[in-house]
Amino acid sequence: KNEVEQSPQNLTAQEGEFITINCSYSVGISALHWLQQHPGGGIVSLFMLSSGKKKHGRLIATINIQEKHSSLHITASHPRDSAVYICAVPRAQKLVFGQGTRLTINP
Amino acid sequence: DSGVTQTPKHLITATGQRVTLRCSPRSGDLSVYWYQQSLDQGLQFLIQYYNGEERAKGNILERFSAQQFPDLHSELNLSSLELGDSALYFCASSPAGTSGGATGELFFGEGSRLTVL
Repeated sequence: KNEVEQSPQNLTAQEGEFITINCSYSVGISALHWLQQHPGGGIVSLFMLSSGKKKHGRLIATINIQEKHSSLHITASHPRDSAVYICAVPRAQKLVFGQGTRLTINP
Repeated sequence: DSGVTQTPKHLITATGQRVTLRCSPRSGDLSVYWYQQSLDQGLQFLIQYYNGEERAKGNILERFSAQQFPDLHSELNLSSLELGDSALYFCASSPAGTSGGATGELFFGEGSRLTVL
């Protein structure tokens, strides 16, 4: 079992839908990262959070440290949100990455 | 634009060859991290440098080496290349430096796509 598990692995939705991507991890952490990888390959850091909730535009990230679970939500999804979303947690001086969730938003 | 510059963007070479990938971090960031993303492995942490010193090491092969120079740019050297080394290599920088990038915000470059034929 991977230390960081994401679900779903693939998600296709229609424009405007509310999107939820989940990340579960098996070890105690102090912070969790959400990254976005565009179809061209570039990676953007979306959030780094250690508790509660963070919001940036239409993106919301939540984390429950006790339950070792984080979610990334996208409201009013748009085709430009199509990307791979990756969560990552610190482990022994390095980041361990989930396998990513490929999101496709159809117009 | 993250402020992190990686060159070259694309590189095609043959097995057995050696290549050097270069990364210039954001202005003021002392930490540089290297990651490898291959099709079957996902993102893997390779190595971290902080202000010229190696700080953390991940799954980096002995054929690979890196260094960070006084001007804070970093180079990743890949030698005796094999087909399996074909991947995207990302550099990221962070103002943090003491925990392998684990709790500091990261800024990624666009990546260098290496193809070994």
